[in-house]
Amino acid sequence: GAVVSQHPSWVICKSGTSVKIECRSLDFQATTMFWYRQFPKQSLMLMATSNEGSKATYEQGVEKDKFLINHASLTLSTLTVTSAHPEDSSFYICSARDAHKLGYTFGSGTRLTVV
Amino acid sequence: QQQVKQSPQSLIVQKGGISIINCAYENTAFDYFPWYQQFPGKGPALLIAIRPDVSEKKEGRFTISFNKSAKQFSLHIMDSQPGDSATYFCAASMGFQKLVFGTGTRLLVSP
Repeated sequence: GAVVSQHPSWVICKSGTSVKIECRSLDFQATTMFWYRQFPKQSLMLMATSNEGSKATYEQGVEKDKFLINHASLTLSTLTVTSAHPEDSSFYICSARDAHKLGYTFGSGTRLTVV
Repeated sequence: QQQVKQSPQSLIVQKGGISIINCAYENTAFDYFPWYQQFPGKGPALLIAIRPDVSEKKEGRFTISFNKSAKQFSLHIMDSQPGDSATYFCAASMGFQKLVFGTGTRLLVSP
């Protein structure tokens, strides 16, 4: 089945630094990738949608200069949290859509803690 | 109109019982309705999904019932097991664009 690999699974960084999270589709071409943020005991909140080779589309209220998304190939998308602050601490999850199989596959998530 | 309302917020079921989680939507353009299971610290995993031209779909112990006229769909977990204890999310999408998630249901299956 379709597999999405997300790394790292957890990361601790100092306030003011940047963190990059990678999301790879291992056995299919992901024409579209989605990035979510999830707070404890809450639902997934869509941050942005990215199509391969295009600029990401950000949801209302999401700072595009803070959460940089790159989708340079059909198998890789990255989310960079720039100048991270403690309030950016959260669980970040990527999802890839396989245009042929018409479904969504989620990564295992990244727990970001900013100290 | 983009919301998907999910209930209950939490659910406790005895082992061997039936767990039922309900969702309702407003946007009649939605054409894909998946259910996801999420364990703590993990990403959501697809359990089962249905399209609006089908009223019921069963996969093992998991069944989706879909009522197009009422704009509601539900997940039934038969013979619930302690290993089913997790958070369940319903979702909906239109043309396989972005998924709209329900608020989640925390299921606890007691031994």
